Amino acid sequence: ETGVTQSPTHLIKTRGQQVTLRCSSQSGHNTVSWYQQALGQGPQFIFQYYREEENGRGNFPPRFSGLQFPNYSSELNVNALELDDSALYLCASSLAQGEGDYGYTFGSGTRLTVV
Amino acid sequence: EDQVTQSPEALRLQEGESSSLNCSYTVSGLRGLFWYRQDPGKGPEFLFTLYSAGEEKEKERLKATLTKKESFLHITAPKPEDSATYLCASNTDKLIFGTGTRLQVFP
Repeated sequence: ETGVTQSPTHLIKTRGQQVTLRCSSQSGHNTVSWYQQALGQGPQFIFQYYREEENGRGNFPPRFSGLQFPNYSSELNVNALELDDSALYLCASSLAQGEGDYGYTFGSGTRLTVV
Repeated sequence: EDQVTQSPEALRLQEGESSSLNCSYTVSGLRGLFWYRQDPGKGPEFLFTLYSAGEEKEKERLKATLTKKESFLHITAPKPEDSATYLCASNTDKLIFGTGTRLQVFP
């Protein structure tokens, strides 16, 4: 059974640029959610995809967007990067609504630095 | 508004010195309370899920308990390798995390 894989592991971008982060779900999971974790803070929910449709969104602006593909892998896109977007971006896969004893399985994250 | 609060923010323990971490939650439609361990620069690692008040789960030196408003993570005779940030999260249809407790265990 494979876990959740995220790429790239680290990324440096310039303010105003666009970035795409990628996530491969754990085998058997049909839901992917994305979280932003600033230094010293808990992860903050960005949005969630279930069977290729967005089915939940946190308090993030529209320049944060995503996709889920038929194989349940996912992308997070951020346009017009701002310095405050610098954070660890975490992908988590699960069954619908985190059901099951193990709930959400997280990847190791992508560390994004905006300069 | 759904909210999860953890205390203390940081905890320093001598090896073998037992203690507890607190997680208070105010959420509607709780589908489970999760505990995760997070090492620096890594993603959260699953520890426990608790579903109902009175439930307890154990794993090695860790024991998690749940009431209607709080959850506790008890650490018995900790070792330096238990040093990490411990996160709790409520599950409605998404996870709402607390800010975590940074635990340091010294030999």
